[in-house]
Amino acid sequence: QKEVEQDPGPLSVPEGAIVSLNCTYSNSAFQYFMWYRQYSRKGPELLMYTYSSGNKEDGRFTAQVDKSSKYISLFIRDSQPSDSATYLCAPLHNTDKLIFGTGTRLQVFP
Amino acid sequence: GAGVSQSPRYKVAKRGQDVALRCDPISGHVSLFWYQQALGQGPEFLTYFQNEAQLDKSGLPSDRFFAERPEGSVSTLKIQRTQQEDSAVYLCASSPSGPGWFEKLFFGSGTQLSVL
Repeated sequence: QKEVEQDPGPLSVPEGAIVSLNCTYSNSAFQYFMWYRQYSRKGPELLMYTYSSGNKEDGRFTAQVDKSSKYISLFIRDSQPSDSATYLCAPLHNTDKLIFGTGTRLQVFP
Repeated sequence: GAGVSQSPRYKVAKRGQDVALRCDPISGHVSLFWYQQALGQGPEFLTYFQNEAQLDKSGLPSDRFFAERPEGSVSTLKIQRTQQEDSAVYLCASSPSGPGWFEKLFFGSGTQLSVL
């Protein structure tokens, strides 16, 4: 079993929809949880991160962590075609390296 | 340049050939990471440097993989006797050290290696 599991999708939604992206993880020692966005033929870029359990909001994006169930979520409100990309969850291991999920490919159509 | 630069952008190798992939980190960044991303997968950690010291190489898949950063700046990932399963995008990332380093971690666009 991988340390981080993520549904690869693809997920296809109409513009304006609310998108929910999710990961589960197995290592209870993870404390920081990142979400990266990766466009085709580009490196991942950090969207946002949370520390421990709880919610964090940044514009149209909300990250949520439930450590009791080892479940990580990213919500995108009012999705736009420019949000079409692969979204990667990445807990931080021992504060020194990222462990990435498989990534979920999202397509937002006009 | 302003970002992490990787070269070549694309590399085609015949099975059994040796390849060298280069990473130019952001100036002043102490930490440098290499990741391997297979098609349809997330990046997998390979190795990590702090300055010229290789602090973690636990992700290197075999002794055919070797990374160096002799002067604490540019890094090279070398793969000897390439195999088809080495085909992937190799990503380099750099960051400052210290608390919150991950907020300033930036990735290059990667080198896409195809082994025929």
